[in-house]
Amino acid sequence: ETGVTQTPRHLVMGMTNKKSLKCEQHLGHNAMYWYKQSAKKPLELMFVYSLEERVENNSVPSRFSPECPNSSHLFLHLHTLQPEDSALYLCASSQGGGQNTEAFFGQGTRLTVV
Amino acid sequence: AQSVTQPDIHITVSEGASLELRCNYSYGATPYLFWYVQSPGQGLQLLLKYFSGDTLVQGIKGFEAEFKRSQSSFNLRKPSVHWSDAAEYFCAVGASGTYKYIFGTGTRLKVLA
Repeated sequence: ETGVTQTPRHLVMGMTNKKSLKCEQHLGHNAMYWYKQSAKKPLELMFVYSLEERVENNSVPSRFSPECPNSSHLFLHLHTLQPEDSALYLCASSQGGGQNTEAFFGQGTRLTVV
Repeated sequence: AQSVTQPDIHITVSEGASLELRCNYSYGATPYLFWYVQSPGQGLQLLLKYFSGDTLVQGIKGFEAEFKRSQSSFNLRKPSVHWSDAAEYFCAVGASGTYKYIFGTGTRLKVLA
């Protein structure tokens, strides 16, 4: 296993479902991120964890709930989503922040809310 | 506020032609700049980065970028485009003192055979 791995790659869920996205990084990094990528919009930073502590939370609706049990794993728990939440959800990791290193991205989870 | 602007939403070039993708940033301090590429349905892959030093940086896949402080620009270039370069390209700035990476809206590159 190398880099940042996201599962599942594709997810279709109803508005009343509960599901979780999983991210695992094998790079020994200390920070992990969730980004949302919607068509024709910039990447939106959702959450950042550093050493398992949440350090950024960009006004994300409570129907998205992150969890970082250790520095290698990051989850995004989803419940009662809306159709506008359909997007590509990208996980990333870095060693430190944007001032001294790049972020490494997973391949994303394509989420469709029906 | 920090921001990144990519003025071109779409660019089409012929295979073998040169390429320049524009990126302008707004940032008060020394910027940390990145270019990423994204193929359809995939994550973002780092092409190159600039932190300090030589303002012309070389990246993977034959790409280079030049940092111009006076113009607040960090344009990406390639002398000869290959069909496999068709993808979306994102410019980003790393915000000092935070964990934020701020991305532009992206430029979608189409390559004509």
